[in-house]
Amino acid sequence: NAGVMQNPRHLVRRRGQEARLRCSPMKGHSHVYWYRQLPEEGLKFMVYLQKENIIDESGMPKERFSAEFPKEGPSILRIQQVVRGDSAAYFCASSHGTAATNEKLFFGSGTQLSVL
Amino acid sequence: DAKTTQPNSMESNEEEPVHLPCNHSTISGTDYIHWYRQLPSQGPEYVIHGLTSNVNNRMASLAIAEDRKSSTLILHRATLRDAAVYYCILRMYGGSQGNLIFGKGTKLSVKP
Repeated sequence: NAGVMQNPRHLVRRRGQEARLRCSPMKGHSHVYWYRQLPEEGLKFMVYLQKENIIDESGMPKERFSAEFPKEGPSILRIQQVVRGDSAAYFCASSHGTAATNEKLFFGSGTQLSVL
Repeated sequence: DAKTTQPNSMESNEEEPVHLPCNHSTISGTDYIHWYRQLPSQGPEYVIHGLTSNVNNRMASLAIAEDRKSSTLILHRATLRDAAVYYCILRMYGGSQGNLIFGKGTKLSVKP
């Protein structure tokens, strides 16, 4: 059973370009979470999605950032018009259920975004 | 989720036990205590979780104080591969939010 798959592993963008980060959850998991980790800092929650629905986006910046988890295919974190401050490691996690069932989260290896 | 307090860093010698403390004085009755760790250049991975009783699994043991205001993650024999940042997280059972809230964690260094 493959784990959480994130791609690309490394992504380089110039300022003003768009970045698309993909996350395929573990088989059978319908809950996806995105986290961002700035250099030398802890993980910050961004958004929590279930299939086709955004459940909690309280950690998402108000502009330029969006996320989706379509019925078919991976979850996508999209960053428009990237700036140098967006440079970070972005981690995706998935779970079978929610805190209501005390499910543990499984994390991917992350996408390292570098903005030139 | 309630707040936890952990030391910023700890050191251990290889093949010796390691006790990683966590204080959570504002824990509520429905909060589970979860531990995750993050190895260098990796995503976090689940280690263990518990509610009131001590817990053991193949990775570690979790000792929970009787008043539940603190807990200790125990690695019985540290290896170089255990060098990581360890996060103690409270997670409310039955809550509507699925996400985990990470603090700064404890950076564990293991010396050969």
